[in-house]
Amino acid sequence: QVQLVESGGGVVQPGRSLRLSCAASGFTFSNYAFHWVRQAPGKGLEWVAVISYDESNKYYPDSVKGRFTISRDTSKSTVYLQMNNLRTDDTAVYYCARGLLFGDYWGQGTLVTVSS
Amino acid sequence: EIVLTQSPGTLSLSPGERATLSCRASQSVSSSSLVWYQQKPGQALRLLIYGASSRAAGIPDRFSGSGSGTDFTLTISRLEPEDFAVYYCQQYGSSRTFGQGTKVEIK
Repeated sequence: QVQLVESGGGVVQPGRSLRLSCAASGFTFSNYAFHWVRQAPGKGLEWVAVISYDESNKYYPDSVKGRFTISRDTSKSTVYLQMNNLRTDDTAVYYCARGLLFGDYWGQGTLVTVSS
Repeated sequence: EIVLTQSPGTLSLSPGERATLSCRASQSVSSSSLVWYQQKPGQALRLLIYGASSRAAGIPDRFSGSGSGTDFTLTISRLEPEDFAVYYCQQYGSSRTFGQGTKVEIK
């Protein structure tokens, strides 16, 4: 069955970096786009990055552009989110989802807390 | 950016009752590019509806979506105990944005 498992979250100080991973299984990884979506505590959902199936296209909203980078490794069936220059308002649960325009399968998320 | 406004914020209903959730867009959503998700505590989001009205694989037929343009609706015809959750709409016609969610709670 389709599984997406996020990891790499934790507590980090403002201005530091963190890399999240999303390990995929149960389907042909190279056929699909992926995106990352976050949910701040008690808040709604916000899309933060998307990568096409062949890595040729990557998109970000203005809130993270220039700080976050999405990538993928087909040999490991894993999607990454490199987050640099983290701010306190980046604190959220980060979800990985399969799909380009919307997520048909989602992981359970990993919590990132940015605090001094 | 297209802003999605969901109403009501909370819906208090009993099992067996009908639930009607609204999602209103600040501008027209092209090609009915709207989905609905269900979120339960500690669980992965679950895709219910895509293209405004098509049920995702494995979704019971008590869930239905309708609407176009700026007004969309998710209807749960008869609430089952497992349907009490938070529901989000998302548009993908212009970038991607989410509504703030509607919580369906047991009355």
